Amino acid sequence: GAVVSQHPSWVICKSGTSVKIECRSLDFQATTMFWYRQFPKQSLMLMATSNEGSKATYEQGVEKDKFLINHASLTLSTLTVTSAHPEDSSFYICSARSSAPYEQYFGPGTRLTVT
Amino acid sequence: GQNIDQPTEMTATEGAIVQINCTYQTSGFNGLFWYQQHAGEAPTFLSYNVLDGLEEKGRFSSFLSRSKGYSYLLLKELQMKDSASYLCAVVDSNYQLIWGAGTKLIIKP
Repeated sequence: GAVVSQHPSWVICKSGTSVKIECRSLDFQATTMFWYRQFPKQSLMLMATSNEGSKATYEQGVEKDKFLINHASLTLSTLTVTSAHPEDSSFYICSARSSAPYEQYFGPGTRLTVT
Repeated sequence: GQNIDQPTEMTATEGAIVQINCTYQTSGFNGLFWYQQHAGEAPTFLSYNVLDGLEEKGRFSSFLSRSKGYSYLLLKELQMKDSASYLCAVVDSNYQLIWGAGTKLIIKP
């Protein structure tokens, strides 16, 4: 199956700082990438959908100025959590999808802890 | 609205068989996925059904009935490592994935 990598796998940062998470599709071109957040013992929550070369579409309740998403190429998308707060501590997972057959391949996730 | 229902939690015994059901009501249908997610890890792909019927893949099988808006994931010869959450997701008419909340499967020896 297709491989999606995510970096870093875990990060600890101080409140008020910014953190960038990278998501790469290693062996296919991802026309669409998705960013999810998952709190402990809860289901996946879609944050935003991004198509290569265009602005991301954010889900209701997700602050686009706080969670900056860039999908500059068909193999790379980045999520930047700006001015992080302890409540942003979560498991962030990206997934990538090619144009067909619409299957999403997930990255391994990034565990963010804001102190 | 769009809705996907699956049981919150199920318990089964090692070596047994378990069936996890998923019912959906979505705007359009372009396939249904089952993913497995172990605690602290990202989901991994198990199966994809777009036509009615049963798809078998080793110990795991997935069934779909589009007319009933229903799918199930069947796990045979359960192993302790099968303890995980199982997520049902439907591709809607806009080719977006609509996720169920997941079923936590607990395997007991």
